[in-house]
Amino acid sequence: QSALTQPPSASGSPGQSVTISCTGTSSDVGGYNYVSWYQQHPGKAPKLMIYEVSKRPSGVPDRFSGSKSGNTASLTVSGLQAEDEADYYCSSYAGSNNPYVFGTGTKVTVL
Amino acid sequence: QVQLQESGPGLVKPSQTLSLTCTVSGGSISSGSYYWSWIRQPAGKGLEWIGRIYTSGSTNYNPSLKSRVTISVDTSKNQFSLKLSSVTAADTAVYYCARTYRWFDPWGQGTLVTVSS
Repeated sequence: QSALTQPPSASGSPGQSVTISCTGTSSDVGGYNYVSWYQQHPGKAPKLMIYEVSKRPSGVPDRFSGSKSGNTASLTVSGLQAEDEADYYCSSYAGSNNPYVFGTGTKVTVL
Repeated sequence: QVQLQESGPGLVKPSQTLSLTCTVSGGSISSGSYYWSWIRQPAGKGLEWIGRIYTSGSTNYNPSLKSRVTISVDTSKNQFSLKLSSVTAADTAVYYCARTYRWFDPWGQGTLVTVSS
């Protein structure tokens, strides 16, 4: 099972929006509504930002939103802030035998 | 709220077995329909799911690591553990534990394990 494909980098100025894609297959992203997104600052553990494609855990700003179309999921960060500069990883459930696959990761830079 | 903490040796010799424990606090490891996972991240690289365990003892492993991985649970201690055998330098990584449903939340802070003689 291959890693989900994300762009290596994305950037935007403060206040702008940035969208990160996460492309998989019909066996993972396209087959289940269980895409999740994680934010990771340097030296820190990943933090859940989005689950079930578009749901936000308590405490996550509504500037973060998720969506999915076919085999590609997306994370949009609106109104970019300096603290949004981090690595972002997607993940998808992929069935009971090999349940989880992560994306390759995207480094978001706030210009 | 639930918190997780990894513990174990930070240095393992090649060909030996890596052993880590994750201690769950703020809630029972047996409550809810959760699995408990191990995930690793080599320096500068992405995340790799290693495997998961349910409190019944049922496990699933990443096929690429399955022959070397054992995950176990001790509900009396509110802990679950990872053993990875025959390690090489390629197993050097930060190892995380995480509560798991169809996503991972929360995560432990991670522990660096270096494989070196």
